[in-house]
Amino acid sequence: DGGITQSPKYLFRKEGQNVTLSCEQNLNHDAMYWYRQDPGQGLRLIYYSQIVNDFQKGDIAEGYSVSREKKESFPLTVTSAQKNPTAFYLCASRQDSGPYSNQPQHFGDGTRLSIL
Amino acid sequence: AQSVSQHNHHVILSEAASLELGCNYSYGGTVNLFWYVQYPGQHLQLLLKYFSGDPLVKGIKGFEAEFIKSKFSFNLRKPSVQWSDTAEYFCALDNTDKLIFGTGTRLQVFP
Repeated sequence: DGGITQSPKYLFRKEGQNVTLSCEQNLNHDAMYWYRQDPGQGLRLIYYSQIVNDFQKGDIAEGYSVSREKKESFPLTVTSAQKNPTAFYLCASRQDSGPYSNQPQHFGDGTRLSIL
Repeated sequence: AQSVSQHNHHVILSEAASLELGCNYSYGGTVNLFWYVQYPGQHLQLLLKYFSGDPLVKGIKGFEAEFIKSKFSFNLRKPSVQWSDTAEYFCALDNTDKLIFGTGTRLQVFP
């Protein structure tokens, strides 16, 4: 089945550590996205990538980094600079992007990150 | 700047009641609008989408939404809710290359 796989489902981080969240898609989608979901705040965009080897900052990129070396993979690193990393992280992909796209985003099951 | 507002943060209904969840957006150009649903423990799923054409859009599970351009609204409706509709609902605006989400509405339906 085609879809988006996020791993791990739960992740614990010690203070001062960097952690990397995995996102893989086999939908052959060009665009991929990372969101952070906090109670009462909806989904906020961290980073997005419209094409391999290119990505842009979203609304809350500080303390995060990404890479897009392969079309199917868009890992997110939560660095020690992110002061409040405890949240639910969602990865999404879309067939294409841009003003003429009429494709919805597809979402993974998410990773819940907690600080020890 | 584009934004999406969902004014109902928490809605509690009994089964068979009618539902309307508000969604307003701010954007002056052509809009693509979505409603997503997140059932407990599950990933976000697309309920319905509006790109152009008929402003009344029908989605899955008996949901529909009406795009009213003059009111900048895209409210979600269902004539008779079920317990299984308990979930969080998100309205989103397509800003060319990314989605802008509202803060979500948590719906609880009691039998």
